Amino acid sequence: AQTVTQSQPEMSVQEAETVTLSCTYDTSESDYYLFWYKQPPSRQMILVIRQEAYKQQNATENRFSVNFQKAAKSFSLKISDSQLGDAAMYFCAYRNSGGSNYKLTFGKGTLLTVNP
Amino acid sequence: DGGITQSPKYLFRKEGQNVTLSCEQNLNHDAMYWYRQDPGQGLRLIYYSQIVNDFQKGDIAEGYSVSREKKESFPLTVTSAQKNPTAFYLCASSIDRRQFYSNQPQHFGDGTRLSIL
Repeated sequence: AQTVTQSQPEMSVQEAETVTLSCTYDTSESDYYLFWYKQPPSRQMILVIRQEAYKQQNATENRFSVNFQKAAKSFSLKISDSQLGDAAMYFCAYRNSGGSNYKLTFGKGTLLTVNP
Repeated sequence: DGGITQSPKYLFRKEGQNVTLSCEQNLNHDAMYWYRQDPGQGLRLIYYSQIVNDFQKGDIAEGYSVSREKKESFPLTVTSAQKNPTAFYLCASSIDRRQFYSNQPQHFGDGTRLSIL
């Protein structure tokens, strides 16, 4: 079974600074997808960024980028120019690419605080 | 606007009572999911359905039941057999069960908070 580990229960960053959230995963599959979701205090889950394992290029979405290291099974999220609205719980998630099971496996989350 | 609607937002259950959480989507998505979220536990999959009239158990299905009679609807019943039902419940959907679309993200509702009276 796949597992996802987020080793930082809490992180904090100053407004306008850069922060990196860590995620590692364990799988025997060669093809899969990775996601970062954001959960603000409203509790809604919002997709931040996704990465296909077969792509070597790291995904970017505006101020959000990932450092995908397939051999190390690492998938960290970098938030540049942090804003107060970035404060939230961030979840890393894994999904197999094939077969009939499309379930997401989530890490336990990292609570990000942004200080003004 | 298209989206996922969960109701009610807050729900209270008495001992020995079954309660049903509603999840409706108008995104025309094939697949739907139920997750349970506890503090410090992340999200854990309860049940999922990839097509109407079919559903599969997730990691923590005991004490829960679902139905998928319509594409738009995937209600979750928390039965009296679930001894620790207090949690935040999230419903999600994704576009298509076919492999080609497996990189598509899941879209989530706003959740239902269930508490014990």
